[in-house]
Amino acid sequence: DAKTTQPTSMDCAEGRAANLPCNHSTISGNEYVYWYRQIHSQGPQYIIHGLKNNETNEMASLIITEDRKSSTLILPHATLRDTAVYYCIVRAAIFNDYKLSFGAGTTVTVRA
Amino acid sequence: DGGITQSPKYLFRKEGQNVTLSCEQNLNHDAMYWYRQDPGQGLRLIYYSQIVNDFQKGDIAEGYSVSREKKESFPLTVTSAQKNPTAFYLCASSTPTESYGYTFGSGTRLTVV
Repeated sequence: DAKTTQPTSMDCAEGRAANLPCNHSTISGNEYVYWYRQIHSQGPQYIIHGLKNNETNEMASLIITEDRKSSTLILPHATLRDTAVYYCIVRAAIFNDYKLSFGAGTTVTVRA
Repeated sequence: DGGITQSPKYLFRKEGQNVTLSCEQNLNHDAMYWYRQDPGQGLRLIYYSQIVNDFQKGDIAEGYSVSREKKESFPLTVTSAQKNPTAFYLCASSTPTESYGYTFGSGTRLTVV
């Protein structure tokens, strides 16, 4: 699986949009970009994933660049409950090979 | 509701004792995983199982053992051979028919004294 690079930490004001970048310059054509988040002392939670097109769900939006070498997770209106570690993961869609590699992620702190 | 249950949430053991962490899922997922997380670190894969009665070592399997006798259950034993067992342990499951990847349990925090 391709390696990802994320900033170690970032702050965000409550009510503002939080834009979380992720670089995955070695991504292959069949690899998806996944985002998870982990609130302190809990298990990670799936947020969103995409292959080429931008994606949006009730939690967030995922913007993938045209060359697919980077992506941005957007939390449209950050709340204090969005304070968590956010993991960007690249994974090939190989049947029955669902091992995910979680790096250190980005620690996002939402401030009132 | 479907999900993954890990128990206990907190576990204390004396050094040199084996301890077994429970992981049960009712999602009918085929694959299950065990990860270890140390403070400020990412998750490291210990063992995974894609089918009943079969499992494979992950990146840090030494000092751990698992079994997969039932689809719903994937217990992890931390043996006395694990040199630094104090950590947060996470169990997850997945199935190829669901594109969202993993469902995680709430974790077990093991402290060895």
